[in-house]
Amino acid sequence: QKEVEQDPGPLSVPEGAIVSLNCTYSNSAFQYFMWYRQYSRKGPELLMYTYSSGNKEDGRFTAQVDKSSKYISLFIRDSQPSDSATYLCAMSAGSGGSNYKLTFGKGTLLTVNP
Amino acid sequence: KAGVTQTPRYLIKTRGQQVTLSCSPISGHRSVSWYQQTPGQGLQFLFEYFSETQRNKGNFPGRFSGRQFSNSRSEMNVSTLELGDSALYLCASRVSGGRNEQFFGPGTRLTVL
Repeated sequence: QKEVEQDPGPLSVPEGAIVSLNCTYSNSAFQYFMWYRQYSRKGPELLMYTYSSGNKEDGRFTAQVDKSSKYISLFIRDSQPSDSATYLCAMSAGSGGSNYKLTFGKGTLLTVNP
Repeated sequence: KAGVTQTPRYLIKTRGQQVTLSCSPISGHRSVSWYQQTPGQGLQFLFEYFSETQRNKGNFPGRFSGRQFSNSRSEMNVSTLELGDSALYLCASRVSGGRNEQFFGPGTRLTVL
């Protein structure tokens, strides 16, 4: 079983739709959770960073973490064509000398159609 | 504040050659990590450097190595290149301390022929 599972999609939605992206994980040591957006032929861009269970909102983006279920989500409200990209979830075990490495999901390719 | 920069952006090499990639972290960031991204395996952790010391290493062969300089800039080296080393190599920097927000550069796309 992979440590982090993410549906690769592709996911195609109309402009203005609410998008839900999800990842599950198996390593209970993971404590830091991130979502990155990667446009074609670019490096990943950090969108959201969360530490604890619960919700975190930033503009049109909401990150949700449920540690009891080992499940994280990213919601995008009022999606725009410029949101079309690959979304990657990433997580790490926590602080300490050897625990900063990020384990990534495979990424979900999202297309928002005008 | 300038972001993470990586040079070169593109490289074409042949099997058996070696290659050195360079990364300059965000000013003030002391930790640099390297990742390999391929269509099949996704993003995989190579190694992390902090204060010129390798603190963590991923599951890659010894042909992959790196170092960090006193100004936090980092290089990674791949010797005896194989076709399977073709990938996007990404560098990420992190400010030291308990937070783990990592900021990525644009990557170096390596093609091995």
